[in-house]
Amino acid sequence: QVQLQESGPGLVKPSQTLSLTCTVSGGSISSGTYYWSWIRQPAGKGLEWIGRIYSSGRTLYNPSLKSRVTISVDTSKNQFSLNLTSVTAADTAVYYCARHQSYYSETSGYAFDIWGQGTMVTVS
Amino acid sequence: EIVLTQSPGTLSLSPGERTTLSCRASQSVGTTYLAWYQQKPGQAPRLLIYGASTRATGIPDRFSGSGSGTDFTLSISRLEPEDFAVYYCQQYGSSPPATFGQGTRLEIK
Repeated sequence: QVQLQESGPGLVKPSQTLSLTCTVSGGSISSGTYYWSWIRQPAGKGLEWIGRIYSSGRTLYNPSLKSRVTISVDTSKNQFSLNLTSVTAADTAVYYCARHQSYYSETSGYAFDIWGQGTMVTVS
Repeated sequence: EIVLTQSPGTLSLSPGERTTLSCRASQSVGTTYLAWYQQKPGQAPRLLIYGASTRATGIPDRFSGSGSGTDFTLSISRLEPEDFAVYYCQQYGSSPPATFGQGTRLEIK
């Protein structure tokens, strides 16, 4: 079955760029009709959707982060990536990648049905 | 932006009890677009309910979802020890296309 795995530096300096990659295994990022998202969660807090990408490269970002976020896809590597610029301590969080269908699926609706395990990123 | 408000913030209950968690939206949400997740410490959220009332694959039937418009609920009929976790509701569709409630923590009394 499809699995997602985040990777990237666990420590980023303030004002620098946070870069993470999500590797998709067990299935092709290009097949099907999935959106591939980044979601983050500060310690002890709730979940914040950052943005998503389709295999075609079409993106959509959370307006609250839009000026600093870029999500890209590399179909040859079955990966998608997150760049978040000008980071501050407020960007310290566990970052998850996840997928959801672009249409109402009988097995998952529009919900995030598969998540990576998450990767902790500290800005300091 | 649709804001989801979950209540209560924390629930203290014993195994075997029944509970209902609430998720209230600041604007109407179509039932198709409402989901519930369970998150345990150190783990990613797990999809429980989608379409407001449909259990995801492998989710026990003690979990049920209901509601429409701005009021949605997640019910657990008989709490098992593994059910003590944080629960999040999520809506899909309005800008931004995914927002989550702040969570309800279900703890063992």
